[in-house]
Amino acid sequence: DTGVSQDPRHKITKRGQNVTFRCDPISEHNRLYWYRQTLGQGPEFLTYFQNEAQLEKSRLLSDRFSAERPKGSFSTLEIQRTEQGDSAMYLCASSLDDGSPLHFGNGTRLTVT
Amino acid sequence: EDQVTQSPEALRLQEGESSSLNCSYTVSGLRGLFWYRQDPGKGPEFLFTLYSAGEEKEKERLKATLTKKESFLHITAPKPEDSATYLCAGYGGATNKLIFGTGTLLAVQP
Repeated sequence: DTGVSQDPRHKITKRGQNVTFRCDPISEHNRLYWYRQTLGQGPEFLTYFQNEAQLEKSRLLSDRFSAERPKGSFSTLEIQRTEQGDSAMYLCASSLDDGSPLHFGNGTRLTVT
Repeated sequence: EDQVTQSPEALRLQEGESSSLNCSYTVSGLRGLFWYRQDPGKGPEFLFTLYSAGEEKEKERLKATLTKKESFLHITAPKPEDSATYLCAGYGGATNKLIFGTGTLLAVQP
């Protein structure tokens, strides 16, 4: 059981740079979610995929954020022109289907200087 | 608006001192109430799902219960290794996503 894998674990970038994160879900899971978590807060929903289709995006997700899940397997989350307010832990999760428990990876911690 | 509220924000217990964490929810059309444990620097780890009022689930020293308005996570005779942040989340509402509370930071001292 390999679980949900995220890469990199940590990313430090300068304001204005673009960054991309990768998530590999549990292999038989159809749904893939991205959440963002800041210190002392619970995870906040960003977007989710059912197979390769992106079905919902949060209002939190500005135009600088884009997510893809080509071929319905791994997913990438890109942030363009990063801002200091983007500093957070970005969590990926996958689930078997609607209503099933989400299984989370250990996240990518982004620091924008 | 769908919302999940947890209390207390932080709880310090002595080893063996039992207590409960509270999760109040207003999620329309709730289809599941989830509990997670999160250790520092790691992602949330799934503990329980509760689907209907009156349901209870247990795992080692933890027991989760659900009513129509809130859920409780009961911790019996906790050990230092139970120290973590416990997150509650509701699934349902207008969209198919988990809505998390802000968590309870539990510290169990030996």
